Amino acid sequence: GAGVSQSPRYKVAKRGQDVALRCDPISGHVSLFWYQQALGQGPEFLTYFQNEAQLDKSGLPSDRFFAERPEGSVSTLKIQRTQQEDSAVYLCASSLLDTNTEAFFGQGTRLTVV
Amino acid sequence: AQSVTQLGSHVSVSEGALVLLRCNYSSSVPPYLFWYVQYPNQGLQLLLKYTSAATLVKGINGFEAEFKKSETSFHLTKPSAHMSDAAEYFCAVSVRNDYKLSFGAGTTVTVRA
Repeated sequence: GAGVSQSPRYKVAKRGQDVALRCDPISGHVSLFWYQQALGQGPEFLTYFQNEAQLDKSGLPSDRFFAERPEGSVSTLKIQRTQQEDSAVYLCASSLLDTNTEAFFGQGTRLTVV
Repeated sequence: AQSVTQLGSHVSVSEGALVLLRCNYSSSVPPYLFWYVQYPNQGLQLLLKYTSAATLVKGINGFEAEFKKSETSFHLTKPSAHMSDAAEYFCAVSVRNDYKLSFGAGTTVTVRA
């Protein structure tokens, strides 16, 4: 596709449920990022991949959060045992280069934990 | 670590009036600075970026921003607001050879007819 695609667009999860959020980056983009955007806030960095290597996961809020990009293209962000504070929009971005000067963002997945 | 502060969470302007969104940054090394726009239920779209070239940066949709090191500012302006400019705007900072963007809290712009 022409842009970064995320699915699902909306997800409602019961507290304690596991969820998986998918990101299809722009074809050929080396770098992939996940950000978390709480209501009324700016996005906050979660994790960064360069191809299939997860080079930085310092922003993941807890060990319930896990991200992977096994073949260097599609990425999945998994949240185990969801809690209400996990409710947010999860944004994926990709970049052609290994720096962040030209990051293209997807539309995001809005996760609501009830 | 780098950070940005956006002054004013909401800005209301009349159609045709000047749009001015304020952003101040903090960085111990020369920063890269960005403005993104987010329309409802959409992802972030890059408006413009400063990466140590010209201090006056022109972006899409008639927006521009000026990097002022002495004031640690990177304010966004547009001479004449259009109804389609109603959106949320985020200022962000990074540094050379880093990959993380640190975003401000955002400024919501409404445009009055």
